[in-house]
This record gives sequence, structure tokens and C-alpha cells, in this order.
Amino acid sequence: AQTVTQSQPEMSVQEAETVTLSCTYDTSESDYYLFWYKQPPSRQMILVIRQEAYKQQNATENRFSVNFQKAAKSFSLKISDSQLGDAAMYFCAYRVTNNDMRFGAGTRLTVKP
Amino acid sequence: KAGVTQTPRYLIKTRGQQVTLSCSPISGHRSVSWYQQTPGQGLQFLFEYFSETQRNKGNFPGRFSGRQFSNSRSEMNVSTLELGDSALYLCASSFTGRRTYEQYFGPGTRLTVT
Repeated sequence: AQTVTQSQPEMSVQEAETVTLSCTYDTSESDYYLFWYKQPPSRQMILVIRQEAYKQQNATENRFSVNFQKAAKSFSLKISDSQLGDAAMYFCAYRVTNNDMRFGAGTRLTVKP
Repeated sequence: KAGVTQTPRYLIKTRGQQVTLSCSPISGHRSVSWYQQTPGQGLQFLFEYFSETQRNKGNFPGRFSGRQFSNSRSEMNVSTLELGDSALYLCASSFTGRRTYEQYFGPGTRLTVT
């Protein structure tokens, strides 16, 4: 069974600093997709970044980047220059084509001014 | 493009009643998935519809059902509500093709069962 594990229930970071959120997954598939979603308090879940497993290059979206280690089945999210608006619940997710998306339990990120 | 919309946003029901939630996907998206989100269980997959057919189904009892219409709008129904069904129900749509695409989420429907 495909599972997604986020080992950090809570993280905090000082404004303008860098923080890394961890995610590991378990799969026997070779072609799959990984995502990080952000869910601010009482607000809509939004996609932060995606990574295709067949691509070796790590995805980057402005201040957000990932460290994708396929052999280790690790997919961490790095947030640079953290801002107050980055405070949210972050979910790591995994999906194989035409299958359902599997989510981790989430990491609650607090940004301190 | 307009985002995923869900109605109603809030709902209070009594145990034993039934409820229907609605989801309108982003224009052009043919896949709609439903999730239940609770503090204890996190995000749990309910089912996915594509072209009016259920493509995937999560591990929920038969009280939970859904359907998709020809315009890709989807509804989910919960019959004989239980207190444990209180949750945020999220709908997500995605464009489908030969590749897998990311899902875009609606704001959710907050269901409270008393």
C-alpha cells in the first residue's frame, strides 16, 4: 500500500529564515507524482509545488523548492525567506496516474515575527 | 477561470438524517474527488468520479455515495448520519489526460452532526 509519512507534526521558523518540512513515502511504483499542499487556517487548500518522479531535477516555485530523493523515497519542502503568510498546515501528497491521491498527516508551520 | 465551488459551505444536521453536498469543478476538469477531513483522521479519500463513472473508492461505508453529472458537477450523499460524520468535506477537481495532474480544491463544506 502506498503511504505518506510526515514525521514533524509541528514546526516553527523565524520570519525571513529558512525551514525544511520532511516527507517520506512508500511505493512500488516507478512513475508517480508528488505534491505539497498548503492549508491556511480556515482557508482553502492550495497547491504549493509538484514533482514528477521521472524528473531528476528538483522543482522550484519562487521561495519554495523540494529535495526529491527517489531512491530514499524522500520529498522534503524548503521554504526560504519565510513570511507570516506562510503559516499554515502543509500536506505532502502522492499520486499514481488515475489512482487516488494519498496525503500525509500534515505539518503545522508557525512563523514567528 | 473560476475555482472549485462547493455548496453549502456550512451545514448542521441531526443524527439519522441524510445530506447532499454539491461540487462544481473548474471548467474543463472532468475528474472530481471527494475527501473527508477531521482532526483525528486527517484527509481521507472518499471517491473519485471521471466522466460520470466512479473510478476510485476509499474505505468508507455504503452510507457514503456520490455521482457525477454530464457537466462534471458532482454530488455526494451521506445517509443515516452519525456523530462521527462531522467533518470538513473537500472536493477537488483535476484535468485528466495521459498524465496525472494536480488537484485543485474547493473551500469545503463543514458538516456538523448533532
